[in-house]
Amino acid sequence: EVQLVESGGGLVQPGGSLRLSCAASGFTFSSYEMNWVRQAPGKGLEWVSYISSSGSTIYYADSVKGRFTISRDNAKNSLYLQMNSLRAEDTAVYYCAREGRGIAALYYYYMDVWGKGTTVTVSS
Amino acid sequence: SSELTQDPAVSVALGQTVRITCQGDSLRSYYASWYQQKPGQAPVLVIYGKNNRPSGIPDRFSGSSSGNTASLTITGAQAEDEADYYCNSRDSSGNHLRVFGGGTKLTVL
Repeated sequence: EVQLVESGGGLVQPGGSLRLSCAASGFTFSSYEMNWVRQAPGKGLEWVSYISSSGSTIYYADSVKGRFTISRDNAKNSLYLQMNSLRAEDTAVYYCAREGRGIAALYYYYMDVWGKGTTVTVSS
Repeated sequence: SSELTQDPAVSVALGQTVRITCQGDSLRSYYASWYQQKPGQAPVLVIYGKNNRPSGIPDRFSGSSSGNTASLTITGAQAEDEADYYCNSRDSSGNHLRVFGGGTKLTVL
């Protein structure tokens, strides 16, 4: 079964740090690009970060650039998100998601496998 | 603010057809993907590419695109289709960033 399982969430004080993990199984993890997506309480989905299959290409949303670091260990089938200088507005459920892509008349990208999420609460 | 714009809420009578739209400049260059999210659950991909459905998604879900607008159509809406729907694509800046629309809450009456 294709599966992603996030872990590492919890309660942290403003200015603190947390490292999220995402364990992949049921597919060849090293062949896929990956993303982190978050959802604040009662709000919509917000894309956070992307990493290529090899880890050589990385992108961040402006809201987390300079504070968050995405990485992966293909030998361990794992994706990570190191979150530093956390703020109250980072409070959210964090999902990891597998990315696919293709081309028809236009290019397209999609996230076809999602974990159940891990909750991060930033509060004093 | 999101670069992809969705109506916050849409309603449809049971068994009728509903269209959920997503507007943004990047949709002239990229197809949108669509996600269904029910309360307390992770998002589920329902449409990607020109009009592709992942395995297990009912064929009452379809997608289309014209100019800067992508649409998700549910033909014969069912009670279980009541959910939040999000579109997703690249941003329009050319910086390879991903972006989600603000989401549409679909109510099936």
